[in-house]
Amino acid sequence: EIVLTQFPGTLSLSPGERATLSCRASQNINRNFFAWYQQTPGQAPRLLIYGASNRATGIPDRFSGSGSGTDFTLTITRLEPEDFAVYYCHHYATSLITFGQGTRLEI
Amino acid sequence: EVQLVESGGGLVQPGGSLRLSCTASGFTFSSYDMHWVRQSTGKGLEWVAAIGSLGDTHYADSVKGRFIISREDADNSFYLQMDGLRAGDTAVYYCARASYAGNDFWGQGTLATVSS
Repeated sequence: EIVLTQFPGTLSLSPGERATLSCRASQNINRNFFAWYQQTPGQAPRLLIYGASNRATGIPDRFSGSGSGTDFTLTITRLEPEDFAVYYCHHYATSLITFGQGTRLEI
Repeated sequence: EVQLVESGGGLVQPGGSLRLSCTASGFTFSSYDMHWVRQSTGKGLEWVAAIGSLGDTHYADSVKGRFIISREDADNSFYLQMDGLRAGDTAVYYCARASYAGNDFWGQGTLATVSS
């Protein structure tokens, strides 16, 4: 079983600032099967990044992903008001599917 | 436009059963793996089950032996049969399409409540 641990649990920032969210896997994982999602209250999650560093369709370029092995990062430059949400990392290789516990990004 | 619509949620007593459905449109359903993911109130996302395009299935340990995922490509639908339900299974259940890009499309979710 792969466990994904996200930190920090909560990140308090202001619009215009830069956010750095981290996700650590309990063992090396294939970066091709690593993603990030954004979830706002009452909504389904939205895919932001797949393959560790590829932006999904329609995602602004202020969102970027990086990392490999056990350590992955989601960076949001120049925070907009709509970016304040919960973010989840995700490993999706078949039969080893898991989510991190989430990072809440708050104003 | 890709759309996923869940149905079948509701209130059930502990030990009871529910069958969730997800109907897809806007893409070639038979070519994709499909997942169920759940979220308890105020909690994070928990992957529940997956079914491959060829019908292979995978389950989280928490539901193995109690839940069954299936699909009917002719109806562009897949299902989650949930038996032996427990209070801890109470959650919003999302269906999601799976691809090389992860879960790229999600439904809006259906609430299953297990309570006496």
